[in-house]
Amino acid sequence: AQTVTQSQPEMSVQEAETVTLSCTYDTSESNYYLFWYKQPPSRQMILVIRQEAYKQQNATENRFSVNFQKAAKSFSLKISDSQLGDTAMYFCALDRDDKIIFGKGTRLHILP
Amino acid sequence: DAGITQSPRYKITETGRQVTLMCHQTWSHSYMFWYRQDLGHGLRLIYYSAAADITDKGEVPDGYVVSRSKTENFPLTLESATRSQTSVYFCASSESMREGDIQYFGAGTRLSVL
Repeated sequence: AQTVTQSQPEMSVQEAETVTLSCTYDTSESNYYLFWYKQPPSRQMILVIRQEAYKQQNATENRFSVNFQKAAKSFSLKISDSQLGDTAMYFCALDRDDKIIFGKGTRLHILP
Repeated sequence: DAGITQSPRYKITETGRQVTLMCHQTWSHSYMFWYRQDLGHGLRLIYYSAAADITDKGEVPDGYVVSRSKTENFPLTLESATRSQTSVYFCASSESMREGDIQYFGAGTRLSVL
């Protein structure tokens, strides 16, 4: 069974719109960390946001925020006021057993 | 400039040849990692290292060899390259393996095995 599942292989939205990327995961741990990484066409992997499972409050970083539903094991990324520079592959990742497990990624296109 | 650098950025080789991908970091991070990225698989861990002279297998180690004689370097060697090893390879580093520690990635090496 897949540990980290990103059910949307590819998405396209118009510039300035809000888009949500979904991610579900599986773990039996009570505390853990979740990440969203961005990989633009340059291939450089960049950390977008990090969430600790013990924290009730959803993490935010400027236009990026998460909707963390611990009971549902869901960790979606919301990008507000999307920009052309947000075009990238986005990976959801779970820190588990001292390793980071990545989802297969969602390719996001921001259209002008 | 400080950071994590990989070389080469692109490499074409032939089946059966040995090829080494280089990774260098300037942060003195203890942990270093090698991943491969393939369509439909995301990133998969090949090997990781907790410190100089300490390495361990990840999810897909077969066909790869690593060494870590110095903290800052973590080369990945394909001893006899196969076409299935055509991929994009990423090196990463982190201060520790504590939960939540951020891994910092290099820019990747695109390897084609013909």
